[in-house]
Amino acid sequence: NAGVTQTPKFQVLKTGQSMTLQCAQDMNHNSMYWYRQDPGMGLRLIYYSASEGTTDKGEVPNGYNVSRLNKREFSLRLESAAPSQTSVYFCASSESSVLGASLKHFGDGTRLSIL
Amino acid sequence: EDQVTQSPEALRLQEGESSSLNCSYTVSGLRGLFWYRQDPGKGPEFLFTLYSAGEEKEKERLKATLTKKESFLHITAPKPEDSATYLCAVQAPGYSTLTFGKGTMLLVSP
Repeated sequence: NAGVTQTPKFQVLKTGQSMTLQCAQDMNHNSMYWYRQDPGMGLRLIYYSASEGTTDKGEVPNGYNVSRLNKREFSLRLESAAPSQTSVYFCASSESSVLGASLKHFGDGTRLSIL
Repeated sequence: EDQVTQSPEALRLQEGESSSLNCSYTVSGLRGLFWYRQDPGKGPEFLFTLYSAGEEKEKERLKATLTKKESFLHITAPKPEDSATYLCAVQAPGYSTLTFGKGTMLLVSP
């Protein structure tokens, strides 16, 4: 009954370091998403994967890469972290990305600070 | 130009004092409007999806309504446990993803 699980929950990096945020869902969902949330701004889509084997850019993809490892897992990679990437990152999943498929399941986030 | 605007940014109510949160949107041909609740340190929790003007949905003390330009989240006789940030999001034509508003932070005092 885990839903969407994100690891790690907290991370501090130095500028220029790289890291991968992990996300896994156990609901057999086809679509998965990565959002970032910053103070005073709405959730903004970084990348999404409509189905296994596909990925697409969202609103703010620069500085990030993603991998849909399998149907369960969708990872987000920062190759060279910058202070502007300090944020809370949320992974989400849905049955599909088509009309009527509500985005109902979010993880509890990864809080990332880049010094 | 913002597609989704939520107001007010913050709202403080006394327990039992009913009120409404607003979500106005500028997309035409709306495919869906979504409401979420977010508690501090947690991810958004899905509340409702509305698809067409005139549609209403209810859950406990919450009722969501939709017109062609905006949605309201009515909170009837709120309790302190209703304190949270409420997020609105829209799905526009041609997009398979959502655009979120900045949220309304609700604080209900006993």
